[in-house]
Amino acid sequence: NAGVMQNPRHLVRRRGQEARLRCSPMKGHSHVYWYRQLPEEGLKFMVYLQKENIIDESGMPKERFSAEFPKEGPSILRIQQVVRGDSAAYFCASSPGTSGPNTGELFFGEGSRLTVL
Amino acid sequence: AQSVAQPEDQVNVAEGNPLTVKCTYSVSGNPYLFWYVQYPNRGLQFLLKYITGDNLVKGSYGFEAEFNKSQTSFHLKKPSALVSDSALYFCAVKGTGRRALTFGSGTRLQVQP
Repeated sequence: NAGVMQNPRHLVRRRGQEARLRCSPMKGHSHVYWYRQLPEEGLKFMVYLQKENIIDESGMPKERFSAEFPKEGPSILRIQQVVRGDSAAYFCASSPGTSGPNTGELFFGEGSRLTVL
Repeated sequence: AQSVAQPEDQVNVAEGNPLTVKCTYSVSGNPYLFWYVQYPNRGLQFLLKYITGDNLVKGSYGFEAEFNKSQTSFHLKKPSALVSDSALYFCAVKGTGRRALTFGSGTRLQVQP
C-alpha cells in the first residue's frame, strides 16, 4: 500500500514563475492537508480539502496561493508569481476521515522543496 | 482556536539516560493529541496519540507520553535514549469537529554517545 506521494521532491523556480505541487493521498483516504515548513521552523497549516471541496483554508495566504482536490487525480497546490519568501518545504498529508479509530492521525508525504531564485 | 507550545527549541541528553520533550496545548473541548518525529529531509512520522482512555500512551520505538488534563500537557518520554533518536519532534493537537492538526514549533532532540 503506497504512502502519500508528493512530486516533485525538489522544484526550482525564478521569481515571478508559477509552482505546482502535487499530492496523491494514501489509497482509501479522502482528506488531504497541506502544510508549509520554513527552514528551522515548525509546520504551518495551509489548507484542508476533501474531494472537490475546500474544508478549511484559514492558513492560506490571501493572494497567489490556491489548492484543489479534484474528483479524479491528485491534489494540487499552486503558487503563482513566486517570491523568494515562498522558498520552503511543502508537506501534504492525508487521512481516512475525522472520526473512528484513526481520528485526526495524519500520514505525511516526503515533502516538496521549493527554491525560488 | 487551538494551539500548541513546545517551550524547548533543543533538548540534549546522553545515550542511556531518560528523556522528556515538553508540550502544552490549548483547545476547545476534548483534545486529540499527537507526537510526530521528523528526520532530516524527510516527512513526519507518527509516534503516538491520545484520544481517550489511559493517560499514559505507549507508541513506536519505546516512546510514551502522558496526558495531564489539569496541566494541559502531553510530554513525550523515553526511559533510555538512543543516538538514533536524534531528530526533530513535533507535538500536535486537534479539537472536536472538522479541523486539521495544529503543530508546535518542534523540539530538536540531540542524544550524545
